[in-house]
Amino acid sequence: DAGVIQSPRHEVTEMGQEVTLRCKPISGHNSLFWYRQTMMRGLELLIYFNNNVPIDDSGMPEDRFSAKMPNASFSTLKIQPSEPRDSAVYFCASSFTGTDGGYTFGSGTRLTVV
Amino acid sequence: DQQVKQNSPSLSVQEGRISILNCDYTNSMFDYFLWYKKYPAEGPTFLISISSIKDKNEDGRFTVFLNKSAKHLSLHIVPSQPGDSAVYFCAARSGGGADGLTFGKGTHLIIQP
Repeated sequence: DAGVIQSPRHEVTEMGQEVTLRCKPISGHNSLFWYRQTMMRGLELLIYFNNNVPIDDSGMPEDRFSAKMPNASFSTLKIQPSEPRDSAVYFCASSFTGTDGGYTFGSGTRLTVV
Repeated sequence: DQQVKQNSPSLSVQEGRISILNCDYTNSMFDYFLWYKKYPAEGPTFLISISSIKDKNEDGRFTVFLNKSAKHLSLHIVPSQPGDSAVYFCAARSGGGADGLTFGKGTHLIIQP
């Protein structure tokens, strides 16, 4: 298995632009999570899906952030418009509900908004 | 309000000695605890876990201890090796696995030769 695949690995964009981060979870996993890592706040859960349905988006910082999971093999996290304070590493992770092995994380997308 | 706390941002240990990483939590609903290891430019990888019904779980050089009354867990690495140098995250969850994990801010472990 190729693991959780995130794209792009790096993204540099100008303030005000739309940014879309992509994630392909591990086949067969039914839960998908988006996390953001910053120096100040560490790893924060933004939103998670079970069976493609958003369950809890209380971690999404503002209305500028949105996430979708149109099918079991793809999810996007969109920021529109982007701001410099959105600069962070964004991780996607997937799991099969009920297993004890924790999540499998992707390698992350490093976002820089200038 | 941080529900999972790792109070040591960094820890330096000599190769071959024991590394002890600590973690405290405040939410009594947490029933499962995990440790992740993270190298630069990579995502966190699962290391070891423990259910709240146990007080110890061992896997090779790694042992996790849970003290529920103190809401404290620790990760022991014996003996420490250079490849163990990484950031270690403590995480916790409730709800049987359907909910997201809550992470601590991490401890950067440095193994010195």
